Amino acid sequence: KQEVTQIPAALSVPEGENLVLNCSFTDSAIYNLQWFRQDPGKGLTSLLLIQSSQREQTSGRLNASLDKSSGRSTLYIAASQPGDSATYLCAVITSGSARQLTFGSGTQLTVLP
Amino acid sequence: GAGVSQSPSNKVTEKGKDVELRCDPISGHTALYWYRQSLGQGLEFLIYFQGNSAPDKSGLPSDRFSAERTGGSVSTLTIQRTQQEDSAVYLCASSSGLAGNYEQYFGPGTRLTVT
Repeated sequence: KQEVTQIPAALSVPEGENLVLNCSFTDSAIYNLQWFRQDPGKGLTSLLLIQSSQREQTSGRLNASLDKSSGRSTLYIAASQPGDSATYLCAVITSGSARQLTFGSGTQLTVLP
Repeated sequence: GAGVSQSPSNKVTEKGKDVELRCDPISGHTALYWYRQSLGQGLEFLIYFQGNSAPDKSGLPSDRFSAERTGGSVSTLTIQRTQQEDSAVYLCASSSGLAGNYEQYFGPGTRLTVT
């Protein structure tokens, strides 16, 4: 059974810092990996999708990497801003599954002005 | 274009009553998913629809939960004889399912409170 772990559970940084969020998964046979952002009381916003054949994806100040063989992904946020404060969730679709996402428990990020 | 929409946004119901939650996926998306987000369990998969195929119900927690998708578009999740442990945010997502694209887009969710 696929398990996804995110470390740290919470992170507080001053504005302007670069930061890295970590995600690990137990079954490396994944179809893709998706990073989401969730603001309090809101739904999930897709940030980046990495297909299993890819190593990284970039969108603006965000860069996500994938090392499928070791079961790891990182989300790099450059020059953090208070508006980046949210919970970040990592999720994978495991090969052979019904294409459902298995989620980590998230990292709650606070960027202090 | 319009994203995934869900209704109602909030629902308070008494224990033992039935509830229906609605999801309108992104137009043209063939795949539709229901998830549940609760404090103790995080985000859990409930059910998956792909086109006209039989749904994958492997995530439904009990036979009190059921879902249908009419005309390959709108979906309704029904919870019968609600219990307090059913209190959670129910999230719907859709993806195009074309050319292996399973990037999922989520709706705002329905917050269900069972009193």
